[in-house]
Amino acid sequence: SQQGEEDPQALSIQEGENATMNCSYKTSINNLQWYRQNSGRGLVHLILIRSNEREKHSGRLRVTLDTSKKSSSLLITASRAADTASYFCATDAQGGSEKLVFGKGTKLTVNP
Amino acid sequence: EAGVTQSPTHLIKTRGQQVTLRCSPISGHTSVYWYQQALGLGLQFLLWYDEGEERNRGNFPPRFSGRQFPNYSSELNVNALELEDSALYLCASSLYGRLTNYGYTFGSGTRLTVV
Repeated sequence: SQQGEEDPQALSIQEGENATMNCSYKTSINNLQWYRQNSGRGLVHLILIRSNEREKHSGRLRVTLDTSKKSSSLLITASRAADTASYFCATDAQGGSEKLVFGKGTKLTVNP
Repeated sequence: EAGVTQSPTHLIKTRGQQVTLRCSPISGHTSVYWYQQALGLGLQFLLWYDEGEERNRGNFPPRFSGRQFPNYSSELNVNALELEDSALYLCASSLYGRLTNYGYTFGSGTRLTVV
């Protein structure tokens, strides 16, 4: 079963705009991670935020985590056509079994 | 440093056949995870191996199995293939017990088509 649910399922923006994707999850977590997948390829780890952190930055990426609402958001600023990909959140559940549980992803299209 | 490598990259099999997919983790990583990604769906957890042992298994039938070798490489075997097994099979590796620090490193996947 899916732990995380991304929202929206698909997002289309113009180059230069910001893109925001959301993720909701169900159980208490140790950390939450975001991954990117280019069309039909493997996933690339973008950023990890621990349960005791509220915000984290990496380049043009900003991730927030609200454990009280069991939600996270990924913001990509000043988007580029190369950012076109699917983005997945994944959770490492507390008391879990050392495996990540992925959502179904948000498909982001950045139009040049 | 070589990343996670998977082979083959593409495979076409007939329903009822058996298939073996291979994965080599990043040097020093002891854990290997297998995921199935059917078209348009998210990643479904299949299997987790660490130090040669199966640590956890997802909600898949027994015809999905695998193993991990002493060099930490891994195989995923699927018997009696069904059409719905058509998917991208992704392998990932991590340092056992370090998941909270580093996350997973994924291979590029094996695209399996069952006809």
